[in-house]
Amino acid sequence: EAEVAQSPRYKITEKSQAVAFWCDPISGHATLYWYRQILGQGPELLVQFQDESVVDDSQLPKDRFSAERLKGVDSTLKIQPAELGDSAMYLCASSAGQINTGELFFGEGSRLTVL
Amino acid sequence: RKEVEQDPGPFNVPEGATVAFNCTYSNSASQSFFWYRQDCRKEPKLLMSVYSSGNEDGRFTAQLNRASQYISLLIRDSKLSDSATYLCVVKRAGMRFGAGTRLTVKP
Repeated sequence: EAEVAQSPRYKITEKSQAVAFWCDPISGHATLYWYRQILGQGPELLVQFQDESVVDDSQLPKDRFSAERLKGVDSTLKIQPAELGDSAMYLCASSAGQINTGELFFGEGSRLTVL
Repeated sequence: RKEVEQDPGPFNVPEGATVAFNCTYSNSASQSFFWYRQDCRKEPKLLMSVYSSGNEDGRFTAQLNRASQYISLLIRDSKLSDSATYLCVVKRAGMRFGAGTRLTVKP
């Protein structure tokens, strides 16, 4: 069972509405990632945090997406306004941050459907 | 061009078969390489790291060719339980995933 907690598991919303996802990583993990996975594709990195700092958000559509990890522990990913193309699984992952370990621990994901 | 490219498959093989997956990456600054496995409607999980010298873990063998920017995964004596999507992952600052190769092992 995944130890990275995410909520909600499922979210259905209408386009133009605001959506927020929450992630609580494994205790002590300094690195936190948000990925988006569209059905049939691999996870796409949206944002990476090291503690409370953003390390990489080059693929985050900043006009509508925002992410924060204010205290360096849990994190929130927000979409406003949601568009039809945002329908996907949003996966949070954490790692201890050790170089070359390569093991990301994923949560079960938040499945978003935009109508 | 995507940073990590994989043959999407699907690969449909009988039990006991040997199957190989390939992956290429575009950024020569990539530092580390991995294979992850993702079961249907589940989260990805680390299968194994990939080293330049090649490495084995039971029936699984991974190899890396830095000059060609190419990674491979070989599965010998396929089991029904090997059915999953296999994701090639490259570490360059963040961890970047390929689209995955779907494997179905049939009785």
